[in-house]
Amino acid sequence: KQEVTQIPAALSVPEGENLVLNCSFTDSAIYNLQWFRQDPGKGLTSLLLIQSSQREQTSGRLNASLDKSSGRSTLYIAASQPGDSATYLCAVSTEKLVFGKGTKLTVNP
Amino acid sequence: GAGVSQSPRYKVAKRGQDVALRCDPISGHVSLFWYQQALGQGPEFLTYFQNEAQLDKSGLPSDRFFAERPEGSVSTLKIQRTQQEDSAVYLCASSFGSPASYEQYFGPGTRLTVT
Repeated sequence: KQEVTQIPAALSVPEGENLVLNCSFTDSAIYNLQWFRQDPGKGLTSLLLIQSSQREQTSGRLNASLDKSSGRSTLYIAASQPGDSATYLCAVSTEKLVFGKGTKLTVNP
Repeated sequence: GAGVSQSPRYKVAKRGQDVALRCDPISGHVSLFWYQQALGQGPEFLTYFQNEAQLDKSGLPSDRFFAERPEGSVSTLKIQRTQQEDSAVYLCASSFGSPASYEQYFGPGTRLTVT
């Protein structure tokens, strides 16, 4: 059974810092991996999708990497801003998505 | 429409009542998914449709849960005889094609509270 783990569970940083969120999964037989953002009381916003054949994807200040063989992904956020404060969820796809519990990020002004 | 919409956004039900949750996917999206998110947890898969065919319902927690998508567009998740442990946010997602290749877009969710 696929299991997804996200570390750390919570992270608090000052504005302007670069940071890395980690995601690991137990079964490397995945189609793709998605990173989502969830604001309190809201649905999920897709940030980046990495196909299993890709190594990384970039969107603005966000960069996500994927090492399928070792079952790891990282989400790098450059020059963090208070508006980045949210819970970040990692999910791997084998048709259905299997999610981690998320990392709650707080960026302090 | 511009995105996935869900209704109602909030539902309070007394234990034992039946509820129906609606999902309108993005127009043209073939695949539709339902997930359940308990407080402080990541979403968990319930069921998956491709057009009107329910291809996977392995995540439905009991036979009290039933989902349909009769015309391959709007979907309804029905919960019969609700229990307190059904309290959660129910999220709907859609994708253009096979989830192997296309990202899933999520609606805002329906928060169900069973009292």
